[in-house]
Amino acid sequence: DSGVTQTPKHLITATGQRVTLRCSPRSGDLSVYWYQQSLDQGLQFLIQYYNGEERAKGNILERFSAQQFPDLHSELNLSSLELGDSALYFCASSVGHTGEQYFGPGTRLTVT
Amino acid sequence: LAKTTQPISMDSYEGQEVNITCSHNNIATNDYITWYQQFPSQGPRFIIQGYKTKVTNEVASLFIPADRKSSTLSLPRVSLSDTAVYYCLVGLFSGGYNKLIFGAGTRLAVHP
Repeated sequence: DSGVTQTPKHLITATGQRVTLRCSPRSGDLSVYWYQQSLDQGLQFLIQYYNGEERAKGNILERFSAQQFPDLHSELNLSSLELGDSALYFCASSVGHTGEQYFGPGTRLTVT
Repeated sequence: LAKTTQPISMDSYEGQEVNITCSHNNIATNDYITWYQQFPSQGPRFIIQGYKTKVTNEVASLFIPADRKSSTLSLPRVSLSDTAVYYCLVGLFSGGYNKLIFGAGTRLAVHP
């Protein structure tokens, strides 16, 4: 158990819909990262927040957005969902804005 | 944006040493190199991190040459449970942001 929690574990929704994925980092970690992993694909970095502020941006679509709240939990919002958005979404956290990341168990999103 | 390159797959046998190399030609001065292990349907798990020369911990060693354009993860005496995908992560400091680039991953299969 990494100490990072993600909810929900599974999510099934239809195209065009909007969903929110939630992540709680390890106690004391200030950075939260979001990754997307499609079937048989590598990990694609989406975005990083550090202590409430956006720190780095990767290949995140405009339909996707994220934020980190004062209690340091983070949410990833995915809108106008397409079939190709079906993937595992991982959240990770770290103490600082670099260094060892601890990954959550992931949220499996299925868009039908 | 720099790219990392790893072999797609490798095969080994129990008890052998396995070396997996990652190329990162455009690594910047402040960047670090981190390796992660991932089992199916699980989040990646930290293995080792280094900046230059050699780093060793209880599970692996990381060799980084002087030019830092590549790194090699060394797993001594692998067992069947080491069958997993191994990712090289390079932290790129660019314009005030950290951009995290995962390699595509190396699928290691350990045979009896």
